[in-house]
Amino acid sequence: DIQMTQSPSSLSASVGDRVTITCRASQDIGSDLGWYQQKPGKAPQRLIYAVSSLQSGVPSRFSGSGSGTEFSLTISSLQPEDFATYYCLQHNSYPLTFGGGTKVEIK
Amino acid sequence: QLQLQESGPGLVKPSETLSLTCTVSGGSISSSSFSWGWIRQPPQKGLEWIGSIYYSGNTYYNPSLQSRVTLSVDTSKNQFSLKLRFVSAADTAVYFCARWQYGSGWHWGQGTLVTVSS
Repeated sequence: DIQMTQSPSSLSASVGDRVTITCRASQDIGSDLGWYQQKPGKAPQRLIYAVSSLQSGVPSRFSGSGSGTEFSLTISSLQPEDFATYYCLQHNSYPLTFGGGTKVEIK
Repeated sequence: QLQLQESGPGLVKPSETLSLTCTVSGGSISSSSFSWGWIRQPPQKGLEWIGSIYYSGNTYYNPSLQSRVTLSVDTSKNQFSLKLRFVSAADTAVYFCARWQYGSGWHWGQGTLVTVSS
């Protein structure tokens, strides 16, 4: 199985801050990585697919980068609606595996 | 607009079988462009992929659950289903059904909480 190690597990930030979340895969997954945002009591929502492609409707302050085993999600200027938990997901091979999640909280 | 809706009992007794159905509207389940899956989330924890199924019937399961899980598709009802046998308290979670499209990712249902308790 491919393990996805996500860091940090939580962070506190202020509106307007630049925030970066990272995911490390236990083996090369090419560009088969996506990012999801989950708000309390809600289903996750797609943010980014194929490492860096934004889903339709996702604000441009979100961006993704990386390849192989190291990936990151960056929010360039944190907005109030961005406080949520973020997950990476690898779909290079079964079983599909998620990172452990990063909870972004208000400082 | 694609919508997925989970349905099934919210309470299951230990050692029994958890059965959930996902009804798909706004799109056909009989498309080779997609697969259909189940993902769960224990309370206050992260996401775990359970398994995926194609309309052809091909299935892929999480090895940690493979011995207890069966996914199936009913194209006549535009539904797919999950059965998880011999449940325990560790199977208490919100269960999400979702559609997978390569190049786009998971489109999720709203999720349903299943509690395993006597």
